[in-house]
Amino acid sequence: KAGVTQTPRYLIKTRGQQVTLSCSPISGHRSVSWYQQTPGQGLQFLFEYFSETQRNKGNFPGRFSGRQFSNSRSEMNVSTLELGDSALYLCASSLRREVGYGYTFGSGTRLTVV
Amino acid sequence: DQQVKQNSPSLSVQEGRISILNCDYTNSMFDYFLWYKKYPAEGPTFLISISSIKDKNEDGRFTVFLNKSAKHLSLHIVPSQPGDSAVYFCAASVPGNQFYFGTGTSLTVIP
Repeated sequence: KAGVTQTPRYLIKTRGQQVTLSCSPISGHRSVSWYQQTPGQGLQFLFEYFSETQRNKGNFPGRFSGRQFSNSRSEMNVSTLELGDSALYLCASSLRREVGYGYTFGSGTRLTVV
Repeated sequence: DQQVKQNSPSLSVQEGRISILNCDYTNSMFDYFLWYKKYPAEGPTFLISISSIKDKNEDGRFTVFLNKSAKHLSLHIVPSQPGDSAVYFCAASVPGNQFYFGTGTSLTVIP
């Protein structure tokens, strides 16, 4: 079965612009989470969506937002980009929210802000 | 505040020997722990998990040990193979909440 698909794979933006990243979870998965990976910081949790509702939110500024559609596809948006937003953004899906269901990650979107 | 810490950024091991990757956590409410493996240009893949009601879980060459009193988690790979060379992340969760990931340990298995 198809895995988690993230588009685009690579993106270059300039400071002040905004960007939208897309994530298509595994078919049937209803939980989608987003993480930011930077060197030395590991994976930092951004937010989790389940059934179109944001269930958890990490400690990121309001410039970071997301949403989930009825087909479980999710998008995240970053407005007013800063150089420090350069990172690998990973999306992960799982069948349910219960602990114990390990995520399946996509390959990520590499965002470079110049 | 990093609730899950992997204090060794890198580890090198000879092929056939044991690899031990360590992880420490600060939140005593964590009750589920996972290890993920990540190759360059790919997303992390789930490796093995352990619930806080256990102290050991095995899956083939991989064994995870949990020491709740020390708030310490370790992953043992025996025997190590060159294909195991990757970045390993540990993660922990409280019920109904997100997973907190460590910063990763880059394992190199030398043939």
